[in-house]
Amino acid sequence: DGGITQSPKYLFRKEGQNVTLSCEQNLNHDAMYWYRQDPGQGLRLIYYSQIVNDFQKGDIAEGYSVSREKKESFPLTVTSAQKNPTAFYLCASSINRATGELFFGEGSRLTVL
Amino acid sequence: AQKITQTQPGMFVQEKEAVTLDCTYDTSDPSYGLFWYKQPSSGEMIFLIYQGSYDQQNATEGRYSLNFQKARKSANLVISASQLGDSAMYFCAMREGSRGNNRLAFGKGNQVVVIP
Repeated sequence: DGGITQSPKYLFRKEGQNVTLSCEQNLNHDAMYWYRQDPGQGLRLIYYSQIVNDFQKGDIAEGYSVSREKKESFPLTVTSAQKNPTAFYLCASSINRATGELFFGEGSRLTVL
Repeated sequence: AQKITQTQPGMFVQEKEAVTLDCTYDTSDPSYGLFWYKQPSSGEMIFLIYQGSYDQQNATEGRYSLNFQKARKSANLVISASQLGDSAMYFCAMREGSRGNNRLAFGKGNQVVVIP
């Protein structure tokens, strides 16, 4: 089945450590996105990429980094510079035409101890 | 400034009843798209319905319909004949500009609990 796979589903890390969240899609979508969700809040855009080897900052990029070396993959690194990294992270993809709706993965929940 | 506003408190809905979720938006771009997503307790976001700013008719998808009032900048979601599986958070989102740019701005969501 086509879809978006995020891993790990749950992740714990100590303060000061970097951690990388994986996002893979087999939908052949051009664009990919990372969103952050805090309890009781909507989604906020961290980074997005419309084509391979290109990405742009979203609204809350500080303390995060991404790469887009392959069309299928868009990993997100949460660095030690991110002051409040505990959150639910959602990866999405879309085709750059039609209605442009985003297709989401199941999310990764990061907890910093 | 907030682009999408969802201010309703959590709602309890009787099974088989209809429910309306409010969403207002703010944009000066004449071309935009409006989306509704459902987020069950498991966390994934499920696309429900889309309305383009130039669409003449309100969008419908099965039990979901979008009450689009452009002059009021309102895009309310109506769920007819509620089912227990409709219990979830519902998010309104907007894309500004052409369809080549699919960045979405999300509201804070509406919590719906369907009771038997």
